[in-house]
Amino acid sequence: EVQLVESGGGLVQPGGSLRLSCAASGLTFSSYSMNWVRQAPGKGLEWVSYISSSSSTIYYADSVKGRFTISRDNAKNSLYLQMNSLRDEDTAVYYCARDQTDGYNYYFDYWGQGTLVTVSS
Amino acid sequence: SSELTQDPAVSVALGQTVRITCQGDSLRSYFASWYQQKPGQAPVLVFYGKNNRPSGIPDRFSGSSSGNTASLTITGAQAEDEADYYCNSRDSNGNHWVFGGGTKLTVL
Repeated sequence: EVQLVESGGGLVQPGGSLRLSCAASGLTFSSYSMNWVRQAPGKGLEWVSYISSSSSTIYYADSVKGRFTISRDNAKNSLYLQMNSLRDEDTAVYYCARDQTDGYNYYFDYWGQGTLVTVSS
Repeated sequence: SSELTQDPAVSVALGQTVRITCQGDSLRSYFASWYQQKPGQAPVLVFYGKNNRPSGIPDRFSGSSSGNTASLTITGAQAEDEADYYCNSRDSNGNHWVFGGGTKLTVL
């Protein structure tokens, strides 16, 4: 059974930093691209970042580019999101999600339960 | 970047059929995927591509696409289908993903 478990969320002041982790099990982690998706309280889903299986391709949403860094450690079956210069509007539940594609269809087939990041003074 | 537009709210009588739509330019290049989210839970993939339903998703969920519009249809809606539904696709440049604003489905 595929499991994705996020951790590292918490309360941080504006301008601060936080590192999120996503521990994967039940899958050959090194074979899959991964994403971070967030959801502000009472709001919709927002894609944040993508990393390919080998880390060779990385994309960011414009709202986080230059402040957030996605990375992975395939030996540890883990995905990370380093978040710097945090703003109030970064307050959200952050989900990691497995990326799937056959070159024709693109979708996120497994999601973690999320970790809450609250940016507030 | 591209945008995907969904109706904020839709209602359906128990056992009836409802269609949830998603519009955006990126849908001319990429198929949509659809996610169901219940309060306090993570999103769940319910349909993707031209005609793909993940294992474990009831066959009352189906999808279609035409031009810049994708649709998720629930045929014979059940009380447990009450949830928020989000569409998603790659954007037209292929280097971002975009979600629709979500549709809150109420089953009456």
